[in-house]
Amino acid sequence: KAGVTQTPRYLIKTRGQQVTLSCSPISGHRSVSWYQQTPGQGLQFLFEYFSETQRNKGNFPGRFSGRQFSNSRSEMNVSTLELGDSALYLCASSLGPTTYEQYFGPGTRLTVT
Amino acid sequence: GDSVTQMEGPVTLSEEAFLTINCTYTATGYPSLFWYVQYPGEGLQLLLKATKADDKGSNKGFEATYRKETTSFHLEKGSVQVSDSAVYFCALRMPNSGGSNYKLTFGKGTLLTVNP
Repeated sequence: KAGVTQTPRYLIKTRGQQVTLSCSPISGHRSVSWYQQTPGQGLQFLFEYFSETQRNKGNFPGRFSGRQFSNSRSEMNVSTLELGDSALYLCASSLGPTTYEQYFGPGTRLTVT
Repeated sequence: GDSVTQMEGPVTLSEEAFLTINCTYTATGYPSLFWYVQYPGEGLQLLLKATKADDKGSNKGFEATYRKETTSFHLEKGSVQVSDSAVYFCALRMPNSGGSNYKLTFGKGTLLTVNP
């Protein structure tokens, strides 16, 4: 069974641009969560989607948004990029909202210059 | 709010040494507790979990016991190998409520290096 895939794996953007990251969950998984990982702040929860609906949102500005499609694939978008947005963005999928086990993808490394 | 505190690293051990990585938590309720491992250049992998007090999670020689009285979930391994070198994260998640998959709250991570 294929794991969680994230594309692209690496991305370099300029301050002020916007970026879209993609996550394909494990087949059959309907819940997708996004996390930001930085050396300073560690792992922080961004948002969670289930059945195309955002169920939870972390403490991030409105520049960070996401969505989930009917096939459970998810995208997150960051507009007006700032240097501080440089991070590893991790996506995790799980069977549904009542399951405890989340499976993480390899992440997208975003560098903002 | 909920939080996780784990011992700061880095931790450097020789092969076959005993490993302990301390983890304590603060939560308004009875969370489930997890240890995740991150190898260089990879995402997180679930190492073990415990969902209620006194539960012991174990996997690949690693163990951790959910101690409600000390709000702790320390990770241990009796004999580490070079291949165990990675970053280890302790995490908690509050019980499901209202049908929503609540977020994982992570500690800062502990870098473990095992030398041959």
